[in-house]
Amino acid sequence: GAGVSQSPRYKVAKRGQDVALRCDPISGHVSLFWYQQALGQGPEFLTYFQNEAQLDKSGLPSDRFFAERPEGSVSTLKIQRTQQEDSAVYLCASSPGLDEQYFGPGTRLTVT
Amino acid sequence: RKEVEQDPGPFNVPEGATVAFNCTYSNSASQSFFWYRQDCRKEPKLLMSVYSSGNEDGRFTAQLNRASQYISLLIRDSKLSDSATYLCAVNRKSSGYALNFGKGTSLLVTP
Repeated sequence: GAGVSQSPRYKVAKRGQDVALRCDPISGHVSLFWYQQALGQGPEFLTYFQNEAQLDKSGLPSDRFFAERPEGSVSTLKIQRTQQEDSAVYLCASSPGLDEQYFGPGTRLTVT
Repeated sequence: RKEVEQDPGPFNVPEGATVAFNCTYSNSASQSFFWYRQDCRKEPKLLMSVYSSGNEDGRFTAQLNRASQYISLLIRDSKLSDSATYLCAVNRKSSGYALNFGKGTSLLVTP
């Protein structure tokens, strides 16, 4: 079946631009997670949704980061006024609500 | 101290060897433990969950030691295709199902 999809796969932004990253979870998965992975590091938690409710956003690094999942399916991670330190791979994962999470291919963001 | 720590390696082993990775975690309340495999420039893929009694999937065996707060992954009869980064993941205290990952351990299996 279809897995988690993310778009765009690659994004180059000039410093100060806003970007929006999209995640389509596996159909029927209740839980959705965003992670940020810097080169040579493991994924770092950003935020978590259960259906449309954002239950934890404690991992968002600053108020420039915002995520939504208005209908409990597709989610968008928005980064305002991008900075060079935002360059990373942004991974989305979904879960049927239990433990196991399935990752999308990620969006590689480069801020120049 | 990071919540999940792994030896980054790299581990270079010949084909057919047995290799073991350890991972320690700091939150004693953690309930869920996983090993993920990540190939270069790809997303993490779930390798196996780790259960209290230990579990095996083919050449892979995972163990959990709650008293010492570590989990392990044993790979027997290594194949070239096992070359990857292995990420240990533990559920976060505050977010139910969200995961804390280690930095990953790099494995290179050579002919």
